[in-house]
Amino acid sequence: EPEVTQTPSHQVTQMGQEVILRCVPISNHLYFYWYRQILGQKVEFLVSFYNNEISEKSEIFDDQFSVERPDGSNFTLKIRSTKLEDSAMYFCASTGTGGIYGYTFGSGTRLTVV
Amino acid sequence: KQEVTQIPAALSVPEGENLVLNCSFTDSAIYNLQWFRQDPGKGLTSLLLIQSSQREQTSGRLNASLDKSSGRSTLYIAASQPGDSATYLCATPGGGNTGKLIFGQGTTLQVKP
Repeated sequence: EPEVTQTPSHQVTQMGQEVILRCVPISNHLYFYWYRQILGQKVEFLVSFYNNEISEKSEIFDDQFSVERPDGSNFTLKIRSTKLEDSAMYFCASTGTGGIYGYTFGSGTRLTVV
Repeated sequence: KQEVTQIPAALSVPEGENLVLNCSFTDSAIYNLQWFRQDPGKGLTSLLLIQSSQREQTSGRLNASLDKSSGRSTLYIAASQPGDSATYLCATPGGGNTGKLIFGQGTTLQVKP
């Protein structure tokens, strides 16, 4: 069964540093998402991406964050100048038909900001 | 604005018991609802997707039901096993045309041997 792949699985970074989280969505999917889950809290929507542009972003997704699809396979989330409160699990997801047939999630990247 | 709630937050049952997990949503105009399993520190594994036109969806010992009019979905687990211990999340698209998912807070299930 096709998978969404995320790397790295765990990243530790110092406060103020920039991090890039990487995702390889399912190859024929068209809609891509980033979510985050702070420990003990709900999974929260960050941003959706379709047709090479952001289609929606949440209030969390401020100027500190950016997304990119640099080539035909990768989808990245960049966090500039990380803060302690950015520590969370970040999930990438994709779907082929706007969610009609459900979503496939990656296994996540655990980001720890120290 | 769609909101999703799961009660209870935690549940502990002896092995072999049948159990029901609940998911409520405020906006009944959904086009599907998806149940996920999350093991500690891990990703989200899709269990069942139930379309708005369906009332039930089954996979092995799992059965999901959907009642749009009452804003509820249930996940029924038959003959629970210790390996079923995990957090179960429900999610539904939150409206608009971007397909973002709105998640419940999850029910953490512990099945005791």
